Amino acid sequence: DAGVIQSPRHEVTEMGQEVTLRCKPISGHDYLFWYRQTMMRGLELLIYFNNNVPIDDSGMPEDRFSAKMPNASFSTLKIQPSEPRDSAVYFCASSLPRMGRDNEQFFGPGTRLTVL
Amino acid sequence: LAKTTQPISMDSYEGQEVNITCSHNNIATNDYITWYQQFPSQGPRFIIQGYKTKVTNEVASLFIPADRKSSTLSLPRVSLSDTAVYYCLLTSGTYKYIFGTGTRLKVLA
Repeated sequence: DAGVIQSPRHEVTEMGQEVTLRCKPISGHDYLFWYRQTMMRGLELLIYFNNNVPIDDSGMPEDRFSAKMPNASFSTLKIQPSEPRDSAVYFCASSLPRMGRDNEQFFGPGTRLTVL
Repeated sequence: LAKTTQPISMDSYEGQEVNITCSHNNIATNDYITWYQQFPSQGPRFIIQGYKTKVTNEVASLFIPADRKSSTLSLPRVSLSDTAVYYCLLTSGTYKYIFGTGTRLKVLA
C-alpha cells in the first residue's frame, strides 16, 4: 500500500479564500483523523471518523473549519474563509485497530498551508 | 485525559545509547504507553508500545516499572538519522491522542 496520501503538499493562499485539503487513507483502515501542527500549539487532533461517520469534532477550532468523508477512501478538510492564523501543517492519519498494537495511527506526509 | 511529561530536548553522540524518560503519574488501568517518532517535514511514526515490564522490537526497547508511573524509551547505538522528535502518549482504546511537545533528540557526529 502507498500509505496515507495527502494533497496538495503545499498550499499558499490569501486571507478570505477557501482552502480544501484532501486525504486518502490506507485501504481497509476504518478510522481517519485530521491533525494540525504548529510551533506554538504542537500537534492537535481536529476531528476523527469511524466508518465515514464523524465521531469527535471537538478539536475543530471554529465554524470556518469543516470535514467530510463521503466514502471509505476519501476525506476533505475545508477552511472557509481562511485566516493567517490557520497557517500550519495539516496531517491526515488512518488506523485499523488490531490486537497488540493499540490504535496505531499511520500518518500522511502533511499539507503545509500558508495563509497570507 | 492523563498527561505525560518528558524532557524538551536531549543531545547525544553517534553510537551511544539514548534513554528518554516519560512521566505519567495519573496513568489509568487501561492505558497503554505508546511512543511515536517524528522527522522534520514528516508525520509521526509509531515506534513501540507497552503495558508493563519490558518490550523490545527491531528499533527500540521500552521499560515500564511495576507502578507504571513512568516509562523509558531506549534507543541503542543511535545514528545521525535518529535525530527527531519523540512523543510519549497514553492510549486507552480511545483515539483522542494527546501528543504534547515531545522530546527533541539531536544526535551529533
